[in-house]
Amino acid sequence: EAQVTQNPRYLITVTGKKLTVTCSQNMNHEYMSWYRQDPGLGLRQIYYSMNVEVTDKGDVPEGYKVSRKEKRNFPLILESPSPNQTSLYFCASSSWSGGVREETQYFGPGTRLLVL
Amino acid sequence: AQTVTQSQPEMSVQEAETVTLSCTYDTSESDYYLFWYKQPPSRQMILVIRQEAYKQQNATENRFSVNFQKAAKSFSLKISDSQLGDAAMYFCAYRSDYGGATNKLIFGTGTLLAVQP
Repeated sequence: EAQVTQNPRYLITVTGKKLTVTCSQNMNHEYMSWYRQDPGLGLRQIYYSMNVEVTDKGDVPEGYKVSRKEKRNFPLILESPSPNQTSLYFCASSSWSGGVREETQYFGPGTRLLVL
Repeated sequence: AQTVTQSQPEMSVQEAETVTLSCTYDTSESDYYLFWYKQPPSRQMILVIRQEAYKQQNATENRFSVNFQKAAKSFSLKISDSQLGDAAMYFCAYRSDYGGATNKLIFGTGTLLAVQP
């Protein structure tokens, strides 16, 4: 089954304790992206990757890091989480091959993060 | 920069009735895609319908249809014969089709739809 998986689904942590949210897709997609969802703000892009070792900032990258060492994985790293990073996080992927972008993005189930 | 506006934070509809959710957007581009996503209480993001800007014909998916007015930059979603399972947050989203653009989706703030039995 084609899917995007995220782990963990729920996480409660404390300020300053490094954490990683994993994202994996089994569709051989080149493009992967992280969004955060906050009430009244919709979803906003944090980082994206157009292929292995190619990443770039989205609209709200402060306080986050990413890496893309393998095509299927795109972890989101919070090195020193703060309460303002309490949010619902989504990973998404889509095909981008030979300059042709697939219009549909596939979303993971979301990770709800609470930073105390 | 492109923006997407959903001016209805909440809406309510009776089961079996029809409801229309509004979305407007701002862009200077001529090639783009528009989407409606549904987010039920499970928080999963589910694609409902998409519209290519170059197509004049409005997209339809079963009970879901859109009214795409390119000149007015309007993209409303009509849900016919509403069902209890349609209760969810609905997000309108924009994606540029400009050659140098990324696959970034620009989302509105959402409309929470309640369906009354």
